[in-house]
Amino acid sequence: QKEVEQDPGPLSVPEGAIVSLNCTYSNSAFQYFMWYRQYSRKGPELLMYTYSSGNKEDGRFTAQVDKSSKYISLFIRDSQPSDSATYLCAIGNQGGKLIFGQGTELSVKP
Amino acid sequence: DVKVTQSSRYLVKRTGEKVFLECVQDMDHENMFWYRQDPGLGLRLIYFSYDVKMKEKGDIPEGYSVSREKKERFSLILESASTNQTSMYLCASTGPGTGKTEAFFGQGTRLTVV
Repeated sequence: QKEVEQDPGPLSVPEGAIVSLNCTYSNSAFQYFMWYRQYSRKGPELLMYTYSSGNKEDGRFTAQVDKSSKYISLFIRDSQPSDSATYLCAIGNQGGKLIFGQGTELSVKP
Repeated sequence: DVKVTQSSRYLVKRTGEKVFLECVQDMDHENMFWYRQDPGLGLRLIYFSYDVKMKEKGDIPEGYSVSREKKERFSLILESASTNQTSMYLCASTGPGTGKTEAFFGQGTRLTVV
């Protein structure tokens, strides 16, 4: 079983839509949860980071973690064409190990 | 400006060749990682290192080895390159301790094995 599973998509939505991206993980030893965004031909960059269950908001982005279900989500409100990218969830442990999901390719159409 | 630098952006090698991919970071980070990225499979961890001369296997270490002789440099070695190792290779680094798990990535090396 993979340590983190993410629906690879691709996902295509109209501009202004609410986007929901999801991951599940299997090992509760991982305590840090991140979302990275990767534009074409670039390395991933950190978008959101949290270590506790609940919601964390940053502008149009909300990261949600449910440790009891081992489920993490990223919501994008009022999506824009500039949000078109691949979104990767990632989980980390105390020892520094960092595991990524498969990534979801998102396309926001004007 | 933080920097993770990979030695090559594009590389073409022949089957059976020994290949070295180099990565250098200037942030004094303890942890360094090598991932490969393939369509539909995302980033898969090959090896990571949490200290000089220390390494730990990731999910797909077969056919690869690593070297970390200095804190700032982490090398990925393909002992005998094969066509199924054609991929995008990404190096990353993170700082120590709780909460310091933001990873900074290099620009990637696209390796083609022919």
